[in-house]
Amino acid sequence: SQKIEQNSEALNIQEGKTATLTCNYTNYSPAYLQWYRQDPGRGPVFLLLIRENEKEKRKERLKVTFDTTLKQSLFHITASQPADSATYLCALVHGSGNTGKLIFGQGTTLQVKP
Amino acid sequence: DAGITQSPRHKVTETGTPVTLRCHQTENHRYMYWYRQDPGHGLRLIHYSYGVKDTDKGEVSDGYSVSRSKTEDFLLTLESATSSQTSVYFCAISGRLAEQETQYFGPGTRLLVL
Repeated sequence: SQKIEQNSEALNIQEGKTATLTCNYTNYSPAYLQWYRQDPGRGPVFLLLIRENEKEKRKERLKVTFDTTLKQSLFHITASQPADSATYLCALVHGSGNTGKLIFGQGTTLQVKP
Repeated sequence: DAGITQSPRHKVTETGTPVTLRCHQTENHRYMYWYRQDPGHGLRLIHYSYGVKDTDKGEVSDGYSVSRSKTEDFLLTLESATSSQTSVYFCAISGRLAEQETQYFGPGTRLLVL
């Protein structure tokens, strides 16, 4: 069956360290993958998109990798800050044309301690 | 929240009553989506729309119907609410198909069915 998996356990790290979150998928062949941030009581907010022909994408302190052989994406936050504490969701597109839809992982909660 | 509002923001209702949630956008985006978010399941697509009067089912559409008579409004109706429909509901919009465009989410509606 098709699955998209993120570590359900919260990730606790010290301020200043690099946080690495993992997104694994099976039985999908997505053309691209997205990462969203969600704060408690709010809707998800888009962070980064990476396409299947891109190995790595960066935006300020954020970096995303996409390995279609391993069927895995890694999301890195360097020099983490307490304000980075949130739940991070990965999402991939399934289908194409008018049937193309985003499938979301359950999210990983990151807690950055000062 | 990218010009997206949801109403109501909170609702308590009884089993068997009809409920309608409204999503309103001011971005003139073509695509609109309804998701529900539950612990252990993440975000799941209920229905989506790719234009006025054009809608399609998502992953968890049973017990839900939608209508889109204007570009800016997308309504989600629970014909006869059940306790299993207690959830947080998010509306999202995108300018093009999910394949090429990110989704922007509303603030969510918290629904409790007693």
